[in-house]
Amino acid sequence: QVQLVQSGAEVKKPGASVKVSCKASGYTFTSYGISWVRQAPGQGLEWMGWISAYNGNTNYAQKLQGRVTMTTDTSTSTAYMELRSLRSDDTAVYYCVRDNPMTTVVTLYDYWGQGTLVTVSS
Amino acid sequence: DIQMTQSPSSLSASVGDRVTITCRASQSISNYLNWYQQKPGKAPKLLIYAASSLQSGVPSRFSGSGSGTDFTLTISSLQPEDFATYYCQQSYSTPHTFGQGTKLEIK
Repeated sequence: QVQLVQSGAEVKKPGASVKVSCKASGYTFTSYGISWVRQAPGQGLEWMGWISAYNGNTNYAQKLQGRVTMTTDTSTSTAYMELRSLRSDDTAVYYCVRDNPMTTVVTLYDYWGQGTLVTVSS
Repeated sequence: DIQMTQSPSSLSASVGDRVTITCRASQSISNYLNWYQQKPGKAPKLLIYAASSLQSGVPSRFSGSGSGTDFTLTISSLQPEDFATYYCQQSYSTPHTFGQGTKLEIK
């Protein structure tokens, strides 16, 4: 069965970086993409960006440009999301989601990771 | 960025009721509209994609309609497990913005 298993909760200080992993199983990793969505405590959902595990193409939210990097390791079927220069308003649950490998227009979003809580606090 | 506005923000209803949630886009998004259900402490779950296509495994009491800027999610007969928060999301252009959510509560 398809599963996306994310790394555990993190506590970081302002200005630090965090790297969240998302290990996929139950499907051919390189036939899909991965999107990342975050949710601040008690708030709505925010799209962060997309990476194709097929060809490595990325598309990041403009507001995160320069601070976020999404990568994949096809040898381990794992996607990564690194966020730098953390601020208190980056405190959120971060989700990886299975997505289309070729385009951001036609989405899949059929399988989600369990979420990773990242807390940014001094 | 395309703004997605859901209404109402919250809704009280009873088991068996028919419920409709609306989502309006700030510009035309064709049918690139998805609906999700989220329960506390859980990841969102895809219900409807491409405005009106039912995701595999989702009960048929859920349906979606609309095109352009105005969309609706309808639950034909509420079940106890349907009480949750619902979000719409456009994928017409990045960033893929979500509505603010509609919290469906038991009356």
